[in-house]
Amino acid sequence: KQEVTQIPAALSVPEGENLVLNCSFTDSAIYNLQWFRQDPGKGLTSLLLIQSSQREQTSGRLNASLDKSSGRSTLYIAASQPGDSATYLCAINMDSNYQLIWGAGTKLIIKP
Amino acid sequence: EPEVTQTPSHQVTQMGQEVILRCVPISNHLYFYWYRQILGQKVEFLVSFYNNEISEKSEIFDDQFSVERPDGSNFTLKIRSTKLEDSAMYFCATQLAGYTDTQYFGPGTRLTVL
Repeated sequence: KQEVTQIPAALSVPEGENLVLNCSFTDSAIYNLQWFRQDPGKGLTSLLLIQSSQREQTSGRLNASLDKSSGRSTLYIAASQPGDSATYLCAINMDSNYQLIWGAGTKLIIKP
Repeated sequence: EPEVTQTPSHQVTQMGQEVILRCVPISNHLYFYWYRQILGQKVEFLVSFYNNEISEKSEIFDDQFSVERPDGSNFTLKIRSTKLEDSAMYFCATQLAGYTDTQYFGPGTRLTVL
């Protein structure tokens, strides 16, 4: 059974710093991995989708990497801003099914 | 940009009552999902729906739950007899193609069962 872990559970950094959020998974037979952002009491906003055949995806200040064989993905945020404060979730599609399997998230606080 | 909408944003109900949560998918999307998130816990998959039938469901999705797309636009989740433990945020998601694609989420319905 696939288990998705995100460490740390919470992270607080000063504005302007570059930072890395981690996601690990136990079963490497994944189809793709998505990173989402969740603001308090709000929905889930997709940030990046990375297919299992890809190594990385970039969108603006965000870069997601995937190492399927070692069961790890990272989300790199460059030049962090207070508006980046949110909970970041990773979620996995396994081969041949549709559901997303979720990590518990990392709550990120960017201090002005 | 097209978005998924959900109504109501917050529903309060008494234990044992029926509730219907509604979702309007992005117009050309073909795959539909319900997920839930109990406060402080992980997001959990409930059910996926394609071509007017359930394609997958989790063990959470028991006989108390049902889904339908009655008019070709709204996608609904019905809970027949709510329990206290059904209190959660319920998210609808839609997807253009299969699991190669991004799932787009609505803002959620917060269900509180008293």
